[in-house]
Amino acid sequence: DQQVKQNSPSLSVQEGRISILNCDYTNSMFDYFLWYKKYPAEGPTFLISISSIKDKNEDGRFTVFLNKSAKHLSLHIVPSQPGDSAVYFCAASTGNQFYFGTGTSLTVIP
Amino acid sequence: EAGVAQSPRYKIIEKRQSVAFWCNPISGHATLYWYQQILGQGPKLLIQFQNNGVVDDSQLPKDRFSAERLKGVDSTLKIQPAKLEDSAVYLCASSFSGNQPQHFGDGTRLSIL
Repeated sequence: DQQVKQNSPSLSVQEGRISILNCDYTNSMFDYFLWYKKYPAEGPTFLISISSIKDKNEDGRFTVFLNKSAKHLSLHIVPSQPGDSAVYFCAASTGNQFYFGTGTSLTVIP
Repeated sequence: EAGVAQSPRYKIIEKRQSVAFWCNPISGHATLYWYQQILGQGPKLLIQFQNNGVVDDSQLPKDRFSAERLKGVDSTLKIQPAKLEDSAVYLCASSFSGNQPQHFGDGTRLSIL
């Protein structure tokens, strides 16, 4: 049973525009959410996180939004850069155990 | 700060053979995770250690997979015997404690023939 879902396998965006990556979850007990970025042949790298007590967290060009009532989170990248091209995974946690989505491959076109 | 080290990077074996992976976490990180990532899927937790104790191994196929972290530092994951469906990337991650962002190694890509 996939508790964390990323329904868009891929996304293409022009350089300088906004990239929006979406993630849905089913378990209302999740209280901590994260986004990871992954380049080919490398392990995922932590990008940004948000606790369930917040609805927004910002770090430079990256902002994560959490909508608990809709069980939905999103990652906004503004402005998008070619170096942002990678696979992005969202993850959710109920304490110690983490559940990952299937990833969205972002391509930023120069 | 040195990252999470994993070896080997690649391994090719035949089904029914055994294989072992090694992981050295970031110094001082008490929590260590092993994940299996099948092509096109997200990482799936196999086992989580807190120091040298197992916190969660509910998704570890214990009839063929085993893992240990005897001294609470580095860890090994073993598969014996391997099946075709074990072809995947095996990722090790560590964190200072549970429910914190994890730092991942680059993984071991396992191919079963």
